Amino acid sequence: QQQVKQSPQSLIVQKGGISIINCAYENTAFDYFPWYQQFPGKGPALLIAIRPDVSEKKEGRFTISFNKSAKQFSLHIMDSQPGDSATYFCAAPAGSARQLTFGSGTQLTVLP
Amino acid sequence: EAGVAQSPRYKIIEKRQSVAFWCNPISGHATLYWYQQILGQGPKLLIQFQNNGVVDDSQLPKDRFSAERLKGVDSTLKIQPAKLEDSAVYLCASSRQKDRGRNEQFFGPGTRLTVL
Repeated sequence: QQQVKQSPQSLIVQKGGISIINCAYENTAFDYFPWYQQFPGKGPALLIAIRPDVSEKKEGRFTISFNKSAKQFSLHIMDSQPGDSATYFCAAPAGSARQLTFGSGTQLTVLP
Repeated sequence: EAGVAQSPRYKIIEKRQSVAFWCNPISGHATLYWYQQILGQGPKLLIQFQNNGVVDDSQLPKDRFSAERLKGVDSTLKIQPAKLEDSAVYLCASSRQKDRGRNEQFFGPGTRLTVL
């Protein structure tokens, strides 16, 4: 069973600050690592994803940094806003059908 | 496009009772997933369908859980009989078969089950 270890469990930042969430994964030959965002009472929604042939991907204020040799990837939220307050999950594919295994989640709170 | 629909949104039952959840995926999505999300944890895959065939049900507790996807569209997940530890949010998701490389999954709002 593919394991994905996510940290920290919770994170509190001030508005305008940088939020950083980390994930580590086990051996995998697959090539897709997404981050999902979940608001209370809603299902997770894809935020941003990366392939390991690049070390970084940026979409607006959200950036994924990928370190293939260390089997780690992280999400950086620049200029964090109160509207970013949510739970964030990293995921990695496993199995022949590329089932996603999710991390345990990080509850982000951005203070106004 | 319309999102993944799930019903009911909330369900409260006594232990040993039965319950069923319904999911309607995004039109044209061949792959359908059921996840269990226990409070404070990430979603855990229970079963994956490709059209109306099961791809993976290795984490489905088959002594009490069952799922079907008739005609490759809607799906139902049933628990019979329920246990206290089944209290969780049950999420349905779907993805395009041709987008399998990215495997972007679109989630419904979930059904929150409370077993008393």
